[in-house]
Amino acid sequence: DQQVKQNSPSLSVQEGRISILNCDYTNSMFDYFLWYKKYPAEGPTFLISISSIKDKNEDGRFTVFLNKSAKHLSLHIVPSQPGDSAVYFCAASEPGQNFVFGPGTRLSVLP
Amino acid sequence: DGGITQSPKYLFRKEGQNVTLSCEQNLNHDAMYWYRQDPGQGLRLIYYSQIVNDFQKGDIAEGYSVSREKKESFPLTVTSAQKNPTAFYLCASSPGTVVTNVLTFGAGSRLTVL
Repeated sequence: DQQVKQNSPSLSVQEGRISILNCDYTNSMFDYFLWYKKYPAEGPTFLISISSIKDKNEDGRFTVFLNKSAKHLSLHIVPSQPGDSAVYFCAASEPGQNFVFGPGTRLSVLP
Repeated sequence: DGGITQSPKYLFRKEGQNVTLSCEQNLNHDAMYWYRQDPGQGLRLIYYSQIVNDFQKGDIAEGYSVSREKKESFPLTVTSAQKNPTAFYLCASSPGTVVTNVLTFGAGSRLTVL
């Protein structure tokens, strides 16, 4: 049973618009969350993180929102650019435990 | 440039053969990890090591083995006991021994069993 779910396998967005990638989790002990971005044939690269003491973290065009009561987090990319086209993984961890990764969402930003 | 180097990038294996995937890092990170990626699934942890000469099984360790004789190296052997070894393998490292540190990944190795 997947503890971290990304229910949209793919998402297409027009360049300049907002991209919203969603992630749901089942383990209420998760307290730290990461988003990674992965291009084909490359390793994932770290994008942004959030701990459970916050509900929002922002870094440039990227903002992550955490709703602990709903066990849901989302990554917003504004404005979306063609270079953002990649697979995005959500990951979560309990204190002192290894990260659990979601299956990923493939984002396509159309020019 | 500091980073993680995985080799080979592509590897083909006949059934019944063991293969070893190399992972070297020059980031001076204490912890190293091996993940497996399959289509439609998240990254699944195979093995991890927080210090030299010590390693722990992850969620899917069966059919794999590792060693950590040097801080910068963490090779993964895919043995003939691994029933479905065709996958994309990712090595990662993180500073210190706190497992929630952000992971830095290598570019990956794609293993195909013929």
